[in-house]
Amino acid sequence: SYVLTQPPSVSVAPGKTARITCGGDDIGSKSVHWYQQKPGQAPVLVVSDDSDRPSGVPERFSGSNSGNTATLSISRVEGGDEADYFCQVWDNDSDHVVFGGGAKLTVL
Amino acid sequence: EVQLVQSGAEVSKPGESLKISCKGPGYDFTSYWIAWVRQMPGKGLEWMGSIYPGDSETRYSPSFQGQATISADRATSTAYLQWSSLKASDTAKYYCTRHYGYYFAMDVWGPGTTVTVSS
Repeated sequence: SYVLTQPPSVSVAPGKTARITCGGDDIGSKSVHWYQQKPGQAPVLVVSDDSDRPSGVPERFSGSNSGNTATLSISRVEGGDEADYFCQVWDNDSDHVVFGGGAKLTVL
Repeated sequence: EVQLVQSGAEVSKPGESLKISCKGPGYDFTSYWIAWVRQMPGKGLEWMGSIYPGDSETRYSPSFQGQATISADRATSTAYLQWSSLKASDTAKYYCTRHYGYYFAMDVWGPGTTVTVSS
């Protein structure tokens, strides 16, 4: 089955850029979606289809996808960005949804 | 406003049956898939399966096939997740969420239903 690999944790200083990766075999050929989940809350979609931002999501959130790695970038990081971030794809070989294990973003 | 409304928290004993719900007012419920996603305490998101209420086509994760049943009622715009015999390991928060098609993002999420299974 298809596996998505994320680092368990990412730390960044306020005002800097956080980059959260999502690794998978030839993930560049798939559409990657990213979700933000703050403690005690439901996940929220922040990037869809590799790099599209839903209405209401700050421009500071962006995504890219190529080769075996997709990346969620958050520029000018704020304390309110502290959350778990999950990547997700549809694996067309198995016809299943796959989530990455999640990465906890800590703002130093 | 598009939203998914989930049923309230449940406390059950091992071996009991349970059915939780997810109602989708505010959009054409039959045109979007509804997925169920499990989150065990302190853990990540796990896709259990998805149902297309338009024709009840259902897909399950191999990890959850046979462990729980997903269904939908078009007339009431409600999706369901049910267990016939709960285990302590079913203790988790369960989210319903919608996606337009296989490859599409999950753009609306319910608040989640907490299920606690304890003797």
